[in-house]
Amino acid sequence: GEDVEQSLFLSVREGDSSVINCTYTDSSSTYLYWYKQEPGAGLQLLTYIFSNMDMKQDQRLTVLLNKKDKHLSLRIADTQTGDSAIYFCAESISRGGGNKLTFGTGTQLKVEL
Amino acid sequence: EAGVTQFPSHSVIEKGQTVTLRCDPISGHDNLYWYRRVMGKEIKFLLHFVKESKQDESGMPNNRFLAERTGGTYSTLKVQPAELEDSGVYFCASSPLGPSGTQYFGPGTRLLVL
Repeated sequence: GEDVEQSLFLSVREGDSSVINCTYTDSSSTYLYWYKQEPGAGLQLLTYIFSNMDMKQDQRLTVLLNKKDKHLSLRIADTQTGDSAIYFCAESISRGGGNKLTFGTGTQLKVEL
Repeated sequence: EAGVTQFPSHSVIEKGQTVTLRCDPISGHDNLYWYRRVMGKEIKFLLHFVKESKQDESGMPNNRFLAERTGGTYSTLKVQPAELEDSGVYFCASSPLGPSGTQYFGPGTRLLVL
């Protein structure tokens, strides 16, 4: 079955690195995604990684994937107050020309001055 | 290029009433998805359209929910009659055809059933 888990809260100081962790259960996942939701807004795609990769870097964002342990992490370097949001991890299962996303509960990131 | 849009942004209704949510996907995206986040819980898949056809509706909670996508463009999700537990945020997403198609989400409709 499909199940994605994340810790609920993370608090960091401005300028520090943030690491948000996620575990998933379905080994047939093709892509894994990180979405960001700011207060009152929709889901913004941050980055994604194909399941046969183990790392992807995009500016301040680094995604690490340990497929053996089904563990995904998102590292935000030099975290800023504007990074405060809820971060959702999602695994993707290909079905019928598209893909169904299974989300975690989201991690609330709070950046303190 | 316009993103995914949803209407209304908020809806407050009484238990037993009917509400219809609308989603306009990104032009040219054949895949359209509906998801829902009930307060404090994870975002759950509801259903998936490919053009006008329902590809997967395994996430629809019960027969009070009806989704349509006539003509393969915009989609509506009707809840009739609404119950208290239907309150939450309803997200729509769209993507081009293919397993690697990244889903782009709309801002969501916040539904409150009193």
